[in-house]
Amino acid sequence: DAKTTQPNSMESNEEEPVHLPCNHSTISGTDYIHWYRQLPSQGPEYVIHGLTSNVNNRMASLAIAEDRKSSTLILHRATLRDAAVYYCILRDPDTPLVFGKGTRLSVIA
Amino acid sequence: DGGITQSPKYLFRKEGQNVTLSCEQNLNHDAMYWYRQDPGQGLRLIYYSQIVNDFQKGDIAEGYSVSREKKESFPLTVTSAQKNPTAFYLCASSIRGATGELFFGEGSRLTVL
Repeated sequence: DAKTTQPNSMESNEEEPVHLPCNHSTISGTDYIHWYRQLPSQGPEYVIHGLTSNVNNRMASLAIAEDRKSSTLILHRATLRDAAVYYCILRDPDTPLVFGKGTRLSVIA
Repeated sequence: DGGITQSPKYLFRKEGQNVTLSCEQNLNHDAMYWYRQDPGQGLRLIYYSQIVNDFQKGDIAEGYSVSREKKESFPLTVTSAQKNPTAFYLCASSIRGATGELFFGEGSRLTVL
């Protein structure tokens, strides 16, 4: 399976933008880049996904490098409710999501 | 509302007993999944099913069993063969394919005494 590398933890001040990096140097042409986040004692929730182009939705933006070997999840204004573990996952059409350890984001008021 | 329902939310069992965790979805999704999460760790895949009457083992299937007799239901049995069953269990569903967003239930926390 293609793997991703994320920092173990990051910290942000409230109301500032947050850039969460993800490296995936072995990504294949059919892999989609998915981001999920998990709040304490809850199941993960979908954030965003993309293939080649940058993507925006109401929760976040996803910036994908031109060579697709890395991507960045952007939270435009961090709130305390954004404190969670963020997972960057590669998914091809034939396999289920495989979660790594993710990045634990702390937001400071 | 559409979604995934897991039950029970909390479950205590004695060592050596089999336990079945329920997972029901009304999203009309073909694919369903079971994950296990230990404290401070990411999710690990136990079993998944992409269609009724078919399922595949994930990374940690030993000691677990599943069935998929109906599209909306994917129960997980934690058998006595599972050496360390105390964990947080999460069920999810999605449409098939690489773009399908996974919808997760609220989880079942199993404690074996």
